[in-house]
Amino acid sequence: DGGITQSPKYLFRKEGQNVTLSCEQNLNHDAMYWYRQDPGQGLRLIYYSQIVNDFQKGDIAEGYSVSREKKESFPLTVTSAQKNPTAFYLCASSITSTQNFNVQYFGAGTRLSVL
Amino acid sequence: DAKTTQPTSMDCAEGRAANLPCNHSTISGNEYVYWYRQIHSQGPQYIIHGLKNNETNEMASLIITEDRKSSTLILPHATLRDTAVYYCIVRVHTGANNLFFGTGTRLTVIP
Repeated sequence: DGGITQSPKYLFRKEGQNVTLSCEQNLNHDAMYWYRQDPGQGLRLIYYSQIVNDFQKGDIAEGYSVSREKKESFPLTVTSAQKNPTAFYLCASSITSTQNFNVQYFGAGTRLSVL
Repeated sequence: DAKTTQPTSMDCAEGRAANLPCNHSTISGNEYVYWYRQIHSQGPQYIIHGLKNNETNEMASLIITEDRKSSTLILPHATLRDTAVYYCIVRVHTGANNLFFGTGTRLTVIP
């Protein structure tokens, strides 16, 4: 089955610790995205990547970092500089074609909590 | 990007049609209307999108008014599994870098 896989489903971070959230897709999509969702709120864009080895900051990139070494993978690192990391993190991907750029497909999410 | 306005919540009886409205009075000519939904604690799911013609797929129908200032998502026979938050998003179809998900409409399907 094609889709987007996020792992782990639940993650706990200690103070001063960096943690990495995994996102893998086998849809052969060019673009990948990371969003953050706080309780009762909509989604906010953290980072996005339209092509391998290139990525751009979204609206709330501070305290986060990403890499895009492979088309299939777009891991997100939540650094110790992110002072309020507790949230639901969602990864998405899309085809960067003229027809379906904004039809994004989402993973099941990772729920991050601070110990 | 055009701003959208949706009701905070709606109820619908199981088996009946659910009609979810969205106002986007500042929509520009090259902006599409997208609908997504998010079931509790899951990632959003794409439902449908359209420019100016009505659209239908296996999940829903999208009715866009002639002046394009509002639209309605129709779930023809709502089931309990359709209980979710529904997001109406207006964006250009290409060159966009992200989708703005507001707070959406929380649809509750009642048995």
